[in-house]
Amino acid sequence: QVQLVQSGAEVRKPGASMKVSCKASGYIFIDYFIHWVRQAPGQGLEWMAMINPRTGTTTYAQKLPGKFTLSRDTSTSTVYLEVSRLNSEDTAVYFCARETDTTALGYWGQGTLVTVSS
Amino acid sequence: DIVMTQSPDSLAVSLGERATINCKSSQRVFSSSLNNDCVVWYQQKPGQPPKLLIYWASTRESGVPDRFSGSGSGTDFTLTISSLQAEDVAVYYCQQYYSSPHTFGQGTKLEIK
Repeated sequence: QVQLVQSGAEVRKPGASMKVSCKASGYIFIDYFIHWVRQAPGQGLEWMAMINPRTGTTTYAQKLPGKFTLSRDTSTSTVYLEVSRLNSEDTAVYFCARETDTTALGYWGQGTLVTVSS
Repeated sequence: DIVMTQSPDSLAVSLGERATINCKSSQRVFSSSLNNDCVVWYQQKPGQPPKLLIYWASTRESGVPDRFSGSGSGTDFTLTISSLQAEDVAVYYCQQYYSSPHTFGQGTKLEIK
């Protein structure tokens, strides 16, 4: 069965960077786009970015250019999200999610809580 | 960016009654190549990731109870729960995947009256 397993919770200081991983299994990794969505405490969902694991092509929300970087390792079926220049507004649960055949996000990771605090 | 605006922000409905959540997009999200409106509905319960309910505005995901239905076209879309069950208490989000960024609505919190 399709599974997306994310790395554990992170605590970072303002100005630092952090990298979250999302390991996929149960399907052919390069066949489906992976998206990242974040959710600040008590808030709604925010779409951040997506990657085509086959080509490595990425698309980002333009609101914060250069803030997010996606990469993938096809040998381990893992997608990475790096967030730079962390500030308190980046405190959130970060989810990876895989598209279904209809492009909707049908499979989700468990979420990774990132806390930015001095 | 396409803005998705949900209404209401919160909703209280009696068990067994109908719940209706609306979502309005700031521009049309119809894909001629897919011949469908690119709108999805998700359900999120506390501490869990979102769950896909409806895609292409009106197609129910496999395994989703048939009391959930989606409708609409153009810029106006609706999620309807025909007979509210206790387990339907959650926050519901619409999302467009017509163009990047794939924006979400702000969410509608559904509670039992």
